[in-house]
Amino acid sequence: EVRLVESGGGLAQPGRSLRLSCTTSGFTFADYAMGWVRQAPGKGLEWVGFIRSKLYGGTTDHAASVKGRFTISRDDSKSIAYLQMNSLKTEDTALYYCSKYSGYSLEYWGQGALVTVPS
Amino acid sequence: QSALTQPHSVSGSPGQSVTISCTGTSSDVGGYNHVSWYQQYPGKAPKFMIHDVTKRPSGVPDRFSGSKSGNTASLTISGLQAEDEADYYCCSYAGGRYVFGTGTKVTVL
Repeated sequence: EVRLVESGGGLAQPGRSLRLSCTTSGFTFADYAMGWVRQAPGKGLEWVGFIRSKLYGGTTDHAASVKGRFTISRDDSKSIAYLQMNSLKTEDTALYYCSKYSGYSLEYWGQGALVTVPS
Repeated sequence: QSALTQPHSVSGSPGQSVTISCTGTSSDVGGYNHVSWYQQYPGKAPKFMIHDVTKRPSGVPDRFSGSKSGNTASLTISGLQAEDEADYYCCSYAGGRYVFGTGTKVTVL
């Protein structure tokens, strides 16, 4: 059974940093791209970014709204994906979902980690 | 990158069909056959329903179908059932990045 479990969420002051982890099991982590999607309270889904598997270079792409502030990385030895969030803004307040890609789709999702950046 | 445009809501009676549109541009929906759809119940994580415009993952009922014409993709739910009441989001690959739709609430009358 594929499982994705996010952790590391919480309250962070504007300008501070937070790192989310996505611990996975049930599949060969190194073979798949992994990504992050967020959902602000009462709003729709917003793509944050993803990291390709090492087979495809292990490169990353990020949404324009977080580029330069957020960084996605992965540790294939631990089957964990990370989202490093720096220079947090109030508009980054959201539930952050980790996802496993299959082809060009987000096949599996975690339950989310809540990040709150107060004004 | 702007979100793909979806109707805010659609509704239908049990047994009827509803179609949700997802309009983008030639840089996303129109440029790639990599549109996917996700179903989300309140307070739950999204669930993968359709990939590559028309393909259904195993376990997804065949009353869910996808299509695309030009810059607009569509999700059709045939034989609407009570449990189909949820929010639905489209998502398109856009050349190294992805963009989601604005989301559509499906109400079963």
